Amino acid sequence: DGGITQSPKYLFRKEGQNVTLSCEQNLNHDAMYWYRQDPGQGLRLIYYSQIVNDFQKGDIAEGYSVSREKKESFPLTVTSAQKNPTAFYLCASSLRDRGRYEQYFGPGTRLTVT
Amino acid sequence: KQEVTQIPAALSVPEGENLVLNCSFTDSAIYNLQWFRQDPGKGLTSLLLIQSSQREQTSGRLNASLDKSSGRSTLYIAASQPGDSATYLCAALPSHSGYSTLTFGKGTMLLVSP
Repeated sequence: DGGITQSPKYLFRKEGQNVTLSCEQNLNHDAMYWYRQDPGQGLRLIYYSQIVNDFQKGDIAEGYSVSREKKESFPLTVTSAQKNPTAFYLCASSLRDRGRYEQYFGPGTRLTVT
Repeated sequence: KQEVTQIPAALSVPEGENLVLNCSFTDSAIYNLQWFRQDPGKGLTSLLLIQSSQREQTSGRLNASLDKSSGRSTLYIAASQPGDSATYLCAALPSHSGYSTLTFGKGTMLLVSP
């Protein structure tokens, strides 16, 4: 089955620790994205990548880092510099197909930092 | 900067009712508009994508329309069922070349009671 996988589903960390969230896709999509979702805030873009070895900051990139070494993978590191890391994190990918840029999402990772 | 608004924020209807969810956007220069469904604690599922050259798209009991000149899109759900209960989000993609990033509304939480 083609799709986007995120692991783990739930993640617990102590304050001051860095943590890496995994995102893998087998859809052969060029572009990948990381969003953060908080209650009442909607989805906010953290980072996105249009091609391997290239990525751009989104609206709330401070305290986060990413890499794009392979087309299939776009891991997100939440660093200790992120002031309020507890949230639901969603990974997405998209492909330009006949003029459409349809985005597809993974199941999400819920991160709790105490 | 593009802003996307969804009204109402929450909606409760009895089973069988036809209903309309509204989405408005401030910048009419969009490439496409995408409607998603999100179940609690899950990722987003793409429902319909309307390209800027289209007026509407249909999938089963769902029909989405787009009026770029007025900055509005609607999602019509016919003969609602309890399984339709979820949060529905719309997102606009700005129209310029290359990959771009979606701007999301905060969603409409729908509850369909038996």
